[in-house]
Amino acid sequence: GDSVTQMEGPVTLSEEAFLTINCTYTATGYPSLFWYVQYPGEGLQLLLKATKADDKGSNKGFEATYRKETTSFHLEKGSVQVSDSAVYFCALTINNAGNMLTFGGGTRLMVKP
Amino acid sequence: EAEVAQSPRYKITEKSQAVAFWCDPISGHATLYWYRQILGQGPELLVQFQDESVVDDSQLPKDRFSAERLKGVDSTLKIQPAELGDSAMYLCASSLFNEQFFGPGTRLTVL
Repeated sequence: GDSVTQMEGPVTLSEEAFLTINCTYTATGYPSLFWYVQYPGEGLQLLLKATKADDKGSNKGFEATYRKETTSFHLEKGSVQVSDSAVYFCALTINNAGNMLTFGGGTRLMVKP
Repeated sequence: EAEVAQSPRYKITEKSQAVAFWCDPISGHATLYWYRQILGQGPELLVQFQDESVVDDSQLPKDRFSAERLKGVDSTLKIQPAELGDSAMYLCASSLFNEQFFGPGTRLTVL
């Protein structure tokens, strides 16, 4: 079946540090890939997405590139802020298969001033 | 900006009681999803509707859980009877194409 594996957290960084959260996937079909962010007590918000190989999704300084050869979709940001502290979820959906999302376990990011 | 609405935001109940959660998707979104998120884990799909029809409920524990979307708009998820292991966040999402928009969730605590 389809699955998503993320690096375990928490990830603790100082403000302005470089962020990488690793995400790899296995998929039975051709997936679209997503990163969602969840702030404390809230639902999930779409952060960025990529729908085909070599696409780069970007938003609010975050980036992730769809790498089919390594089945990866790592999240990066050049300079994190305290306000980026949240839980980040990598997810996939198989195109033309009902659009059900399969999520990774989430990675908690803590940014200290 | 249109949002997915859910209520209640928090629910505390005792085991063996019945609970119900409500979701109002973004207007015009035909597809509606219910996910369960156990603390510290990613969400898992419980049921997916296309208009008023169930598309996928393979992960819904049908002995105690039920879901309906009678008029193809808002939806209700019910648990009867609740068990301690049902404590989780219940998330509703809706989509028009392939992007899902999530509501704030209902946090259920079963005592």
